[in-house]
Amino acid sequence: EAGVVQSPRYKIIEKKQPVAFWCNPISGHNTLYWYRQNLGQGPELLIRYENEEAVDDSQLPKDRFSAERLKGVDSTLKIQPAELGDSAVYLCASSPINSWQETQYFGPGTRLLVL
Amino acid sequence: DQQVKQNSPSLSVQEGRISILNCDYTNSMFDYFLWYKKYPAEGPTFLISISSIKDKNEDGRFTVFLNKSAKHLSLHIVPSQPGDSAVYFCAASDTLQGAQKLVFGQGTRLTINP
Repeated sequence: EAGVVQSPRYKIIEKKQPVAFWCNPISGHNTLYWYRQNLGQGPELLIRYENEEAVDDSQLPKDRFSAERLKGVDSTLKIQPAELGDSAVYLCASSPINSWQETQYFGPGTRLLVL
Repeated sequence: DQQVKQNSPSLSVQEGRISILNCDYTNSMFDYFLWYKKYPAEGPTFLISISSIKDKNEDGRFTVFLNKSAKHLSLHIVPSQPGDSAVYFCAASDTLQGAQKLVFGQGTRLTINP
């Protein structure tokens, strides 16, 4: 079974430029999460989707961050414009259903460097 | 406000010995706890979990202990193997929210020395 796929794996951009990350969850997984992991810290939830609905985006900085999951499968996370402090690893995770018992499966992440 | 804390950034243990990783939390609503393991350039992978109705959960070489009164949990790995060298994250969740909204600690880098 294929795991969570993310692309690109690495991205270097200049500040004020836009950037987008793509995630393909495990087949059949309805719940999708985007996390940000700063250096030396644990992952922090940005947004959670149930199918195509964003059910928790309370920690998404909405002034510059946006996300979508149009057909309830793939998802994209966008930053526009990027700031120096956005340098981090952006992780996507998925789980079969929306339940506290379900294991979240993480992708390898996209490492973003903003210069 | 760091609700989940792993105060040891790193830990070095000799192969074959016991590794003990610690985690403290402040939110008394947390009632489900997990440990994730992360290798370089990979995403975290689930290792073991424990519900607050238990004080111990064991899976092979891995055991998690929960002390609710102290708001403390620990992960024991015995015997430690070189492949256990990784960063370990503790995570907590309030299951009354219905979904698995995880709050992670900062991680502890475990190095197993041959």
